[in-house]
Amino acid sequence: SYELTQPPSVSVSPGQTARITCSGDALPKQFAYWYQQKPGQAPVLVIYKDTERPSGIPERFSGSSSGTTVTLTISAVQAEDAADYYCQSADSSIGYVVFGGGTTLTVL
Amino acid sequence: EVQLVESGGGLVQPGGSLRLSCAASGFTFSDHFMDWVRQAPGKGLEWVGRTRNKVNSYTTEYAASVRGRFTISRDDSKNSLYLQMNSLKTEDTAVYYCAREEDVGSYQLDYWGQGTLVTVSS
Repeated sequence: SYELTQPPSVSVSPGQTARITCSGDALPKQFAYWYQQKPGQAPVLVIYKDTERPSGIPERFSGSSSGTTVTLTISAVQAEDAADYYCQSADSSIGYVVFGGGTTLTVL
Repeated sequence: EVQLVESGGGLVQPGGSLRLSCAASGFTFSDHFMDWVRQAPGKGLEWVGRTRNKVNSYTTEYAASVRGRFTISRDDSKNSLYLQMNSLKTEDTAVYYCAREEDVGSYQLDYWGQGTLVTVSS
């Protein structure tokens, strides 16, 4: 089955840049999406189609793609960015949605 | 404003059944594919399955972990999505979210409900 691999945790100090990676064999063929989830809340889409940012999402959130890896970058991290982040893609051959295991971003 | 509101969660014994509902508003429900995603306590997101729209014959897909036990359906006249869960196991304990796919075939889950908790325990 298709898998997406994320680091379990990333830690940065306020004002620094956080980078969260997501690796998967099908990522060159399928778009990736990123969701932010804070405790007790539903996930929120922060990046779609690898690099696009929905309206209302701060400009410090950006996405990039290179081969089998996509990266969520959060510039000038703020305390409010502390959350779990999930990448998501799809196995379009069978119509399945796939999530990465999630990365906990800690703002020191 | 797009809204998705889940209901129907609760405590059920192993082997039992439960039906979740998701009431949609603020968009043309019948146009969209809809998904269920769950999250076990302290764990990550797990896709449960999806239903396509009428144009795509309301076809469904399910994760291997629930196939044969769970059934997704929808009633476009009521702007509602359902998840029928049978033969429940303790490992099905989770918050269940409904989510909208932004565009046909996009797999982009652009709106989520607040979730409903299902606890499977004796």
